[in-house]
Amino acid sequence: EVHLAESGGGSVKPGGSLRLSCAASGLTFTNVWMSWVRQAPGKGLEWVGRAKSKIDGGTIDYTSPVKGRFSIWRDDSKNMVYLQMNSLKTEDTAVYYCATDNFVGAASFDYWGRGTLVTVSS
Amino acid sequence: FELTQPPSVSVSPGQTATISCSGDNLGDTYASWYQQRPGQSPLLVIYQDDRRPSGIPERFSGSNSGNTATLTISGTQAMDEADYYCQAWDGSTYVFGTGTRVTVL
Repeated sequence: EVHLAESGGGSVKPGGSLRLSCAASGLTFTNVWMSWVRQAPGKGLEWVGRAKSKIDGGTIDYTSPVKGRFSIWRDDSKNMVYLQMNSLKTEDTAVYYCATDNFVGAASFDYWGRGTLVTVSS
Repeated sequence: FELTQPPSVSVSPGQTATISCSGDNLGDTYASWYQQRPGQSPLLVIYQDDRRPSGIPERFSGSNSGNTATLTISGTQAMDEADYYCQAWDGSTYVFGTGTRVTVL
């Protein structure tokens, strides 16, 4: 059974930084693309970015609002993917989910974690 | 592109709920659908326009053509009350729909 578990959320002031982690199990992690998706309180879903598998090039992609501020990387030896968030803004307040990214097959997010809440407030 | 969904859909138990997702030439790419119950993570219910993941009931079906993808819930049950989001890849980024709240009256 696939299991994804995010951690690292919390409260931070505008301009601050936070690092989120996502631990994956029950899958061959090295073959899987991983994405981060966020959801502001009471709002819809927004894709943040992804890390392709190394066999598929290992490219990292981001949505425009976070480019230059957020970084994603993966550690295949630990079955982990990370989201480093710098220069945080109040509009980054959201629940952040990691999800498996089935781009090659269907461009869908097959499995999701339970999410971790990030609150950016002064 | 943008994906537009109706904000809400109401359905009686046992009836059919239909949720639309509109976007320019959406039919040229795959559409997926997610169910999100209150306080829970999204759950994939349809991928590749019309395929159901293992464990998703047969009452969930999908289609995608032209500018519109559609999620149909046949024989709607109380447990289907949730928010539903469509999603697609627009060539450079993933896009989610605006979301539809399905209420089972």
